[in-house]
Amino acid sequence: DTGVSQNPRHKITKRGQNVTFRCDPISEHNRLYWYRQTLGQGPEFLTYFQNEAQLEKSRLLSDRFSAERPKGSFSTLEIQRTEQGDSAMYLCASSLLGTPSGVYNEQFFGPGTRLTVL
Amino acid sequence: SQELEQSPQSLIVQEGKNLTINCTSSKTLYGLYWYKQKYGEGLIFLMMLQKGGEEKSHEKITAKLDEKKQQSSLHITASQPSHAGIYLCGAPSSGGSNYKLTFGKGTLLTVNP
Repeated sequence: DTGVSQNPRHKITKRGQNVTFRCDPISEHNRLYWYRQTLGQGPEFLTYFQNEAQLEKSRLLSDRFSAERPKGSFSTLEIQRTEQGDSAMYLCASSLLGTPSGVYNEQFFGPGTRLTVL
Repeated sequence: SQELEQSPQSLIVQEGKNLTINCTSSKTLYGLYWYKQKYGEGLIFLMMLQKGGEEKSHEKITAKLDEKKQQSSLHITASQPSHAGIYLCGAPSSGGSNYKLTFGKGTLLTVNP
């Protein structure tokens, strides 16, 4: 197990183009999260999956954003018609499901995909 | 909504000195995660605290969660240049299951040799 991986690490695109990022979580983790981080800020939650089901989307995730996790394994995040405001670091994290009694598990992050929209 | 405030925003210390970073929540914490981030890279998990009064240590880093579960501190003993980076605290936004994290803005630590 090599941890959470993300590809590509860097993406430069022109405004209006579509981009897709991939995240491969730790193999046994059933929870997968996407976050976005801009300079000088902490990561902000975008969406998360439990297995293949997308359970919540942040209001930050406009209609131009779509995420999938087919078969509950890797996940993709697509941004359509990119805007300069989409420039950020996109982080993926995974964890095991916590228990209903409120016991949490560690949430491990990947190296991120840095998106620059020109 | 929950907000996490970290202090200080930045910190410069001489190698060998001790330091403390604080994370204060606007609401009772269900849990508290500490991460370290190098510029332009992903987050490295350090420690997770969940019980009031809990304290965990790893190498020269100690994290504590206060009894009231509204504040956490991260203490580094005998700092080294390898400790330099951005330290982030994050907390689950609700109880009951591992869930989305809300983060503070981070504390930038510089350790001068």
